[in-house]
Amino acid sequence: GAVVSQHPSWVICKSGTSVKIECRSLDFQATTMFWYRQFPKQSLMLMATSNEGSKATYEQGVEKDKFLINHASLTLSTLTVTSAHPEDSSFYICSARVLLAGDTGELFFGEGSRLTVL
Amino acid sequence: GQNIDQPTEMTATEGAIVQINCTYQTSGFNGLFWYQQHAGEAPTFLSYNVLDGLEEKGRFSSFLSRSKGYSYLLLKELQMKDSASYLCAVKDSNYQLIWGAGTKLIIKP
Repeated sequence: GAVVSQHPSWVICKSGTSVKIECRSLDFQATTMFWYRQFPKQSLMLMATSNEGSKATYEQGVEKDKFLINHASLTLSTLTVTSAHPEDSSFYICSARVLLAGDTGELFFGEGSRLTVL
Repeated sequence: GQNIDQPTEMTATEGAIVQINCTYQTSGFNGLFWYQQHAGEAPTFLSYNVLDGLEEKGRFSSFLSRSKGYSYLLLKELQMKDSASYLCAVKDSNYQLIWGAGTKLIIKP
């Protein structure tokens, strides 16, 4: 299957600082990537859809000025959590969909990034 | 609104069989996925159903009934490594994935 790599896996930062998370598709080109957030014992929550070369589409309730998404190339999307606060502590996961003829549209996920804001 | 229901937690014995149910109410239907997620890790794809019936893949099988808005994931010959959360997700009419909260499966020796 397709490989999606996410970095860093763990990050601890002080309140008020910004954190950047990278998501790379290693063996395919991803025109669209998805960013999810998952709190403990809860389901995946879609934050935004990242489109290469254009602005991301944010889900309702997600602050676009706080969660900056850049998809500058077909293999890289970044999520920057600006002015992070303890309530932003969560597991952030990116995913990409490989579109092939007859494809089910399954998502391939990165390893996830656990953010802890002190 | 759109809703996916699955049990919060289930317990089963190593070597046994367990069935995890998922019921959904969504605006349209374009397929149902099952993903496995181990604690602290990202989900991995298990199965995809778009037509009614049973899809078998090794020890795992997934069933779909579109008329009933119902699916189940069947795990046979349970192994300790099967302890994980199992997520049901439905692709709606806009091809957006709607996720269930997941079922935490605990396997006991």
